[in-house]
Amino acid sequence: GQQLNQSPQSMFIQEGEDVSMNCTSSSIFNTWLWYKQDPGEGPVLLIALYKAGELTSNGRLTAQFGITRKDSFLNISASIPSDVGIYFCAGVTGTASKLTFGTGTRLQVTL
Amino acid sequence: GAVVSQHPSRVICKSGTSVKIECRSLDFQATTMFWYRQFPKQSLMLMATSNEGSKATYEQGVEKDKFLINHASLTLSTLTVTSAHPEDSSFYICSARGGIGTGGNTIYFGEGSWLTVV
Repeated sequence: GQQLNQSPQSMFIQEGEDVSMNCTSSSIFNTWLWYKQDPGEGPVLLIALYKAGELTSNGRLTAQFGITRKDSFLNISASIPSDVGIYFCAGVTGTASKLTFGTGTRLQVTL
Repeated sequence: GAVVSQHPSRVICKSGTSVKIECRSLDFQATTMFWYRQFPKQSLMLMATSNEGSKATYEQGVEKDKFLINHASLTLSTLTVTSAHPEDSSFYICSARGGIGTGGNTIYFGEGSWLTVV
């Protein structure tokens, strides 16, 4: 199925550093969602974005819905070891609420 | 926030048998639920859209007779893997669209179910 372009594919950072990842698409989406998935578990919703240009924060996480509605970014400030995991963006379009997933960004945090 | 629960979290079955996985929305009604399959180190791949009271809509390449989906109530969808084979071993995840009060276009996921066919 269709997937969004998500980058970077993986990141190795030190504790305390800031992280930035983004998703781009050739298609327009009505909603952008960011999830974190720990090994062996289902994705957990981090941030939901509903309007173009919207900037939303959730603790140390900040995400923005691109003006063109074709992209979104997620920033994590002052990373900590428990931020380790795989982060997925997902775009929603239409009334069926089908998700198109990004390819994922694997985050590793070293002490 | 909205909670989606899956059961069982892990199941091992013999080749040729069938296994059922349940997906429940615990604190909201979900007219639409989705079933995904995820291979190691890969993203989630949508298998089918489960609609309450009607037949599921399957993605291209997904065998509807092998992966039976039933959405009998607004809080429960089931995925039955029939005549399971080792290649069906995977991580299966369901999701549900949140209703009023949760952000109608927000999707919440279950914890996932590991299926191992031996």
